[in-house]
Amino acid sequence: DQQVKQNSPSLSVQEGRISILNCDYTNSMFDYFLWYKKYPAEGPTFLISISSIKDKNEDGRFTVFLNKSAKHLSLHIVPSQPGDSAVYFCAASEGASGSRLTFGEGTQLTVNP
Amino acid sequence: DSGVTQTPKHLITATGQRVTLRCSPRSGDLSVYWYQQSLDQGLQFLIQYYNGEERAKGNILERFSAQQFPDLHSELNLSSLELGDSALYFCASSSQQGFGAFFGQGTRLTVV
Repeated sequence: DQQVKQNSPSLSVQEGRISILNCDYTNSMFDYFLWYKKYPAEGPTFLISISSIKDKNEDGRFTVFLNKSAKHLSLHIVPSQPGDSAVYFCAASEGASGSRLTFGEGTQLTVNP
Repeated sequence: DSGVTQTPKHLITATGQRVTLRCSPRSGDLSVYWYQQSLDQGLQFLIQYYNGEERAKGNILERFSAQQFPDLHSELNLSSLELGDSALYFCASSSQQGFGAFFGQGTRLTVV
């Protein structure tokens, strides 16, 4: 039972353009969502998060949008840079802080110069 | 640097053997999580400890066990190893007040 799904295994964009990574979830108890970035041979690095009481959170080039009715979130990266090339994981948690994370399968983003 | 330290970084062992993976959480974090990432898969939650007590259990095999010690470091013990146990094992930690978790660099386990 995959509660968090990232349906695109890979995405390729040109430098300077927008990258849009998508994530869907099925568990309506999830109320906190995170994006992690992972380079090869490294652990996931926290990127940005959003609480279910919001529909948008922005941090520099990164913006996360949450559509609760559709159980869908997306990460926008503008402008995309070659250094953004990595695997991006969507994750979700329910309940109080300190809860376990449920991860999607990841999307490999490649930003071409 | 996330502040979470995992040792060893790489481990190669034979089927049927037992190994121990170690994790030191960020200073002050009471929660420790273990995740497994098999080839081309997402991260699968194994188990969580909070201040020495087991808090949540995920898809952890009976051959696997974990514990968190009084100094808050944690160990994941994998026994009767099979080829399919080859994977990256990540430890993460979080504070009670903060959401999300900070990950270590992982231990790559290869069972031959």
